Amino acid sequence: EVQLLESGGGLVQPGGSLRLSCAASGFTFSTYAMSWVRQGPGKGLEWVSVISGSGGSPHYADSVKGRFTISRDNSKNTLYLQMNSLRAEDTAVYYCAKDLSSIQMTYYFDYWGQGTLVTVSS
Amino acid sequence: DIQLTQSPSFLSASVGDRVTITCRASQGISSNLAWYQQKPGKAPKLLISAASTLQSGVPSRFSGSGSGTEFTLTISSLQPEDFATYYCQQLNSYPPTFGGGTKVEIK
Repeated sequence: EVQLLESGGGLVQPGGSLRLSCAASGFTFSTYAMSWVRQGPGKGLEWVSVISGSGGSPHYADSVKGRFTISRDNSKNTLYLQMNSLRAEDTAVYYCAKDLSSIQMTYYFDYWGQGTLVTVSS
Repeated sequence: DIQLTQSPSFLSASVGDRVTITCRASQGISSNLAWYQQKPGKAPKLLISAASTLQSGVPSRFSGSGSGTEFTLTISSLQPEDFATYYCQQLNSYPPTFGGGTKVEIK
């Protein structure tokens, strides 16, 4: 059974940093691209970042480029999101999501974690 | 970025009703569209990929159609467990973007 478990969320002041983790199990982690998708309070979904199965080809939404860094440790089956220079508008539930295909990056997300809440406030 | 506009944004319906949700793209996206269902406090669930391919385990009362700029998600006979918010997502052009959502509530 595929499972994705996020952690690391919490309350942080504007300008602060936070590192999210997503522990994966139930599939061959290293063969799938993984993404982070966020959802502001009462809002819709926003794709944040993606990384290939090998750890290359990271891409970011313009709203987080230069502030967030996605990475993965395939030996630990874990995905990360380092978030720096946080702003109030980064407040959201952050989900990690698995790509549907192991062959190519499709951006179809067939499994999602339960989410971790990040609140940026003074 | 490609904008996706869903209509209606809110829908009130009864069990057994046929429900149709529309997603319009700001430019052509071929069939590179997904539909997700999200219940309160839960993560989204992928229902349909490639505009019309039903994911494994998704009931056959759900169907998707369309290509280019106009897409629909249809629930043929609404069930109690279908009351949720539905999102479309395009992945034809980078970055992937989502529609604003359609909340389906009980009449």
